[in-house]
Amino acid sequence: DIQMTQSPSSLSASVGDRVTITCRASQGIRNDLGWYQQKPGKAPKRLIYAASSLQSGVPSRFSGSGSGTEFTLTISSLQPEDFATYYCLQHNSYPWMFGQGTKVEIK
Amino acid sequence: QVLLVQSGAEVKKPGASVKVSCEASGYTFTAFYIHWVRQAPGQGLEWMGRINPNSGITNYAQKFQGRVTMTRDTSISTAYMELSSLNSDDTAIYYCARDYVSVDYWGQGTLVTVSS
Repeated sequence: DIQMTQSPSSLSASVGDRVTITCRASQGIRNDLGWYQQKPGKAPKRLIYAASSLQSGVPSRFSGSGSGTEFTLTISSLQPEDFATYYCLQHNSYPWMFGQGTKVEIK
Repeated sequence: QVLLVQSGAEVKKPGASVKVSCEASGYTFTAFYIHWVRQAPGQGLEWMGRINPNSGITNYAQKFQGRVTMTRDTSISTAYMELSSLNSDDTAIYYCARDYVSVDYWGQGTLVTVSS
């Protein structure tokens, strides 16, 4: 099974900050990775697919990069509505695996 | 628009089974796999498995093999996830989600509570 290691598990940041979240795969997964945002009581929402493609309707301050085993989600300028938990998901092979999540909190 | 509408909350006793439905609309049901993901209270997301609505072929996470059954009824564009031998660790929100380059659309979630 491919394991996904996501870091950090939580972070505190201020509005306007640049935020970076990382996911590492235990083996190469090409660009078969998505990034999701989840707010309390809501279903996850996809932000990025194929590692770096922006989901339609998602603000351009969100971006994804990486290929193989190392991936990054960047929020260029954190907004109040961005405080949430973020997950990566590898869909290269079964079983699919989510990262452990990163909770982004207000500093 | 694409919609996945799940059945309502359930309360089950330990040892029982639960069956959650996921009705799809706004797209061709048989053209996209459906995945099931669960989230225990305060925990992360856990992939359970997927079904090909066209063929009925399934893939399950090893953890749930023998306890989970995913089925579909193409006549009503609905996928089902049944989990048996429930215990307190199965208390969670269960989501269905459509597969399009990972998963794009999600159901609203179904809370399953296992309690004696």
